[in-house]
Amino acid sequence: DVKVTQSSRYLVKRTGEKVFLECVQDMDHENMFWYRQDPGLGLRLIYFSYDVKMKEKGDIPEGYSVSREKKERFSLILESASTNQTSMYLCASSLGGAGAREKLFFGSGTQLSVL
Amino acid sequence: RKEVEQDPGPFNVPEGATVAFNCTYSNSASQSFFWYRQDCRKEPKLLMSVYSSGNEDGRFTAQLNRASQYISLLIRDSKLSDSATYLCAVINDYKLSFGAGTTVTVRA
Repeated sequence: DVKVTQSSRYLVKRTGEKVFLECVQDMDHENMFWYRQDPGLGLRLIYFSYDVKMKEKGDIPEGYSVSREKKERFSLILESASTNQTSMYLCASSLGGAGAREKLFFGSGTQLSVL
Repeated sequence: RKEVEQDPGPFNVPEGATVAFNCTYSNSASQSFFWYRQDCRKEPKLLMSVYSSGNEDGRFTAQLNRASQYISLLIRDSKLSDSATYLCAVINDYKLSFGAGTTVTVRA
């Protein structure tokens, strides 16, 4: 089974801090994604990557950046955390092609609280 | 208008009942469609893909109506374990967009 691992289940940070959310997948998937999930809004795509060192903006990239130095690892960075970035962050991966063509496998999520 | 819209519910149904709900999408060029299931405080997991001809997986039936731009999910003979939030997902330009989910609660 594909395993997508997010480094933290719960994280509490202060406003203005730089925050790193790490995601690792073990199935040699080409595509990796970062979503945030908020009540009533569902999952919204922040960034995705279809190859090492490649990144594409999703629907809500403002205030975020990403890094994909290795195929298995996709990091989400909050340069200066703000309270409106309090959310559940979900990382996902999928097999191949440029972007989502098929089944996504999700990590268990990181609940980030920014105080 | 949101790309993908769902009735949030909740749909409260007794065990054994049939429950059905829809999801509408705004982009007529959308390429692929899926239903995901998300249990409370868990990550979404793929329930089934939705094919043009409709498809069935056990008690679950998914259908696509391209003319009216919606997909549907029907659950027959509901079980307590079917209680979850069901997310529809649509691929546009190689990005997967999700609805906010429909909550189903099956009661004994």
